Amino acid sequence: NAGVTQTPKFRVLKTGQSMTLLCAQDMNHEYMYWYRQDPGMGLRLIHYSVGEGTTAKGEVPDGYNVSRLKKQNFLLGLESAAPSQTSVYFCASSPGLAGLQETQYFGPGTRLLVL
Amino acid sequence: AQSVAQPEDQVNVAEGNPLTVKCTYSVSGNPYLFWYVQYPNRGLQFLLKYITGDNLVKGSYGFEAEFNKSQTSFHLKKPSALVSDSALYFCAVRASWSSASKIIFGSGTRLSIRP
Repeated sequence: NAGVTQTPKFRVLKTGQSMTLLCAQDMNHEYMYWYRQDPGMGLRLIHYSVGEGTTAKGEVPDGYNVSRLKKQNFLLGLESAAPSQTSVYFCASSPGLAGLQETQYFGPGTRLLVL
Repeated sequence: AQSVAQPEDQVNVAEGNPLTVKCTYSVSGNPYLFWYVQYPNRGLQFLLKYITGDNLVKGSYGFEAEFNKSQTSFHLKKPSALVSDSALYFCAVRASWSSASKIIFGSGTRLSIRP
């Protein structure tokens, strides 16, 4: 099993450009998450999904959109990138949200630089 | 409001000595508590979690953590540190009654083990 994979690994964007980050998991997990990691701030939840076809806002959703058309994929979109979105983005998945099922499995991350 | 604090940005320990990485939390109701580790240029990996039951939780790589309800703490410990334990450690908390969007990660503690 590959676990959780993310593409691309690194990307440079100019302000105003758009892009989509792809997350894929092969563990048949129901829950998927997108986080951003900034120095000294830990991880902050952007959006999450509790199953195919569902999405919900996390702590810092502004400027991002997501879609989960297939259970195994969770896409994060930036419609008009801003320098404040320079960060490392992590995708994670978990079997569920009931204590023992809540362990999250993380992808390797995508480093995004917005100029 | 939920919160989690990791009061030390960095912890330095000699190899072979015991180590402690501190975490305190604030939630209303019962907490679910987690520790994750991040090695350089990698995603987070699950170490251990407290859901209910025994206050001493054992996890991966010889780590353990003790849930202390009166002190609202969940410190990570290991009896004998290894150089390979050097990494960034994150504590996370969620109130048992809350949704997936309410999981909060601490800002991280960098653990450095010197030979």
